[in-house]
Amino acid sequence: DAMVIQNPRYQVTQFGKPVTLSCSQTLNHNVMYWYQQKSSQAPKLLFHYYDKDFNNEADTPDNFQSRRPNTSFCFLDIRSPGLGDAAMYLCATRHRGFDGYTFGSGTRLTVV
Amino acid sequence: GESVGLHLPTLSVQEGDNSIINCAYSNSASDYFIWYKQESGKGPQFIIDIRSNMDKRQGQRVTVLLNKTVKHLSLQIAATQPGDSAVYFCAENQNFNKFYFGSGTKLNVKP
Repeated sequence: DAMVIQNPRYQVTQFGKPVTLSCSQTLNHNVMYWYQQKSSQAPKLLFHYYDKDFNNEADTPDNFQSRRPNTSFCFLDIRSPGLGDAAMYLCATRHRGFDGYTFGSGTRLTVV
Repeated sequence: GESVGLHLPTLSVQEGDNSIINCAYSNSASDYFIWYKQESGKGPQFIIDIRSNMDKRQGQRVTVLLNKTVKHLSLQIAATQPGDSAVYFCAENQNFNKFYFGSGTKLNVKP
């Protein structure tokens, strides 16, 4: 029944070593989002895809990239993770701007 | 490791009491608002939404009030239960596609 699936749930990576987080959805929603959430803070929007159109937030560091090869999948690439990038990363989907998001369970990234 | 986060404001209520969680939003042009509940280690869950042409909307045990004059939202939970313990975020839709989240309130329900 899981509709937005994030893998893995927990990811440990080394400082500076590229890491990719994945998100898949079975809802056929056309909009997909990546949020970063640090401890006791609100989720912060990094970027989103409307279909294949990529939309970056102005304050998202260049270290963060995203790919959406098809409707179902979206990836978050962190090119050179720093200690400050340790956080929960949340994927969400939305259908054509209607209603709210459906969130995945998140991937908790630890940088060592 | 992860940077030290801010302390979330905490609301402690007795089981069975009503809870009111408040949120100030930033953009007077926002036209759609959602309250989310987030339990520890999980993604946010939709609770209730409201569009800017309304000032009140009721769900099951929850009510959202919107005051556009002062850019304020509130979430009222009736007969609060231990299962309501979580962090609650309001989110505002600032353009067609994007939601921005408020800072969150931790609800602690005492049995």
